[in-house]
Amino acid sequence: DVKVTQSSRYLVKRTGEKVFLECVQDMDHENMFWYRQDPGLGLRLIYFSYDVKMKEKGDIPEGYSVSREKKERFSLILESASTNQTSMYLCASTSTRGYEQYFGPGTRLTVT
Amino acid sequence: LAKTTQPISMDSYEGQEVNITCSHNNIATNDYITWYQQFPSQGPRFIIQGYKTKVTNEVASLFIPADRKSSTLSLPRVSLSDTAVYYCLVGTGFQKLVFGTGTRLLVSP
Repeated sequence: DVKVTQSSRYLVKRTGEKVFLECVQDMDHENMFWYRQDPGLGLRLIYFSYDVKMKEKGDIPEGYSVSREKKERFSLILESASTNQTSMYLCASTSTRGYEQYFGPGTRLTVT
Repeated sequence: LAKTTQPISMDSYEGQEVNITCSHNNIATNDYITWYQQFPSQGPRFIIQGYKTKVTNEVASLFIPADRKSSTLSLPRVSLSDTAVYYCLVGTGFQKLVFGTGTRLLVSP
């Protein structure tokens, strides 16, 4: 079974803090994704990576950065958290030959 | 990227068949159609994928007409546990996918 894990289920941070969200997958997938999900807006793609050290902007990259130093790990970084980044963050992975994205359980981040 | 349109919500009763239709007029030749299911506080879960005609698995069936401009997810004999949000996506899975807001299905006793 493919497993995608995220470092925290719930996180509370203060405005201005630097926040790291970690995602690890165990299926040797080349492609990894970070989404955020907000009520009424569905899932929106923040960044994705198709290889180690490679990244591409999604639809809403502003205020975020990512890091992929190892194939199994994809980190989302909020350089200076703001209240409008309060959201559910979902990580996903897929192989280049596959079409199914496997999702982690999500991290609910609250910025106060 | 092809945009999809699906109903915001649907209601059903246990034991009924539910059909959720998705419109994707701008689907490209290489695009597949994929459906995901999401329960509250969980990540989306793959249900079914198809390119044309009909695909069936142990969970659902997917009907795709010849012009591929729409697709219908069919859930046979739904139960309360099928209450979830269902997303229709079009694209190639290893690249960007646009999830949209999905269809909220409520199954009542």
